[in-house]
Amino acid sequence: GENVEQHPSTLSVQEGDSAVIKCTYSDSASNYFPWYKQELGKGPQLIIDIRSNVGEKKDQRIAVTLNKTAKHFSLHITETQPEDSAVYFCAPNTGGFKTIFGAGTRLFVKA
Amino acid sequence: EPEVTQTPSHQVTQMGQEVILRCVPISNHLYFYWYRQILGQKVEFLVSFYNNEISEKSEIFDDQFSVERPDGSNFTLKIRSTKLEDSAMYFCASSPDRRNEKLFFGSGTQLSVL
Repeated sequence: GENVEQHPSTLSVQEGDSAVIKCTYSDSASNYFPWYKQELGKGPQLIIDIRSNVGEKKDQRIAVTLNKTAKHFSLHITETQPEDSAVYFCAPNTGGFKTIFGAGTRLFVKA
Repeated sequence: EPEVTQTPSHQVTQMGQEVILRCVPISNHLYFYWYRQILGQKVEFLVSFYNNEISEKSEIFDDQFSVERPDGSNFTLKIRSTKLEDSAMYFCASSPDRRNEKLFFGSGTQLSVL
């Protein structure tokens, strides 16, 4: 089955700095690459996703980049703000009925 | 904006008791899921449901678990005889038209088994 790893597990940045979280997966059949944000006491929320035929996607301050050859994709957050503090999960998928989430990255943005 | 709603937000039960967790997915979505998250840990897949039947289930989803979509709106998870290790946050999710893409999660039900 799919093996998903996220790095780092914890990331602390100063407000205004950039943050990058990397997700490595094992199943070369993966074709959908989302990132979810989970705030305290809430369910995960999709913030950005990309398909395998696209190398990069940007939505305001967040972007996702995909390297299919190396089997990893990354979440980039620029100009971080305190409200970006949350746990971020990647969840690469092959189009099957089961999604494996990464272990999560806890992001702290210090004001 | 449409959302997935879950009730109750908290459920406390005694070991061995049955619990039913309820969810109302987004109305035009086709795929439904249950996940759970033990405090501070990863989000774990339990089961997916499509076209009124289970599509896939994890090894966690044993004979003590069942799901049902009794009418056009509700989606329930039943745990027949709860164990201490069932204590977790249970999330319901739905997705519109492609399986496992663009999941919308509810706010969860915190289940505590004593």
